[in-house]
Amino acid sequence: IAGITQAPTSQILAAGRRMTLRCTQDMRHNAMYWYRQDLGLGLRLIHYSNTAGTTGKGEVPDGYSVSRANTDDFPLTLASAVPSQTSVYFCASSPGLNNEQFFGPGTRLTVL
Amino acid sequence: GQNIDQPTEMTATEGAIVQINCTYQTSGFNGLFWYQQHAGEAPTFLSYNVLDGLEEKGRFSSFLSRSKGYSYLLLKELQMKDSASYLCAVMDSNYQLIWGAGTKLIIKP
Repeated sequence: IAGITQAPTSQILAAGRRMTLRCTQDMRHNAMYWYRQDLGLGLRLIHYSNTAGTTGKGEVPDGYSVSRANTDDFPLTLASAVPSQTSVYFCASSPGLNNEQFFGPGTRLTVL
Repeated sequence: GQNIDQPTEMTATEGAIVQINCTYQTSGFNGLFWYQQHAGEAPTFLSYNVLDGLEEKGRFSSFLSRSKGYSYLLLKELQMKDSASYLCAVMDSNYQLIWGAGTKLIIKP
């Protein structure tokens, strides 16, 4: 793989179900991020990780959790999905804190 | 609060020049980024400004005035493939990006 990948590409999920969105990068970037993008709104940061083993909350963390067991992977989990979590989710990575961010192709999630 | 403002939509003609403005109010400033996002795709990096002035990169240029909380992205010799959304983002004092809602640029032949 080259760059940053996300899986699945899209998913339809029943409300109340648990879901993990996967994100993997092979650029050895220290920092990783999860955003959601909704129509008419800017990208909003859900959670971030400045380096493996550490995570932090962004602007809209409620209902989501993350882990960063190693440099490459940064999964996002919805413990009990709700319709308001219907969105496009982007994972991103950057070499350091004030560098450009590289984005994965996104996951389109619909919660019914 | 933190706020990034940019026009929702702009229309321009192929071959022309267009300027997309961005104004911001954030807690701290560690640079301003412009990204391009084609419909259904991921954002891709265009430019980064941390000092006042103009940064030129081919057909694209980006300007920053920190005292005015203002930036613009200038696109020259517009091509149909430039039809996309252009996202302005400011890195705040916590090194987190605050994003504008994006400007949808429509290019007409």
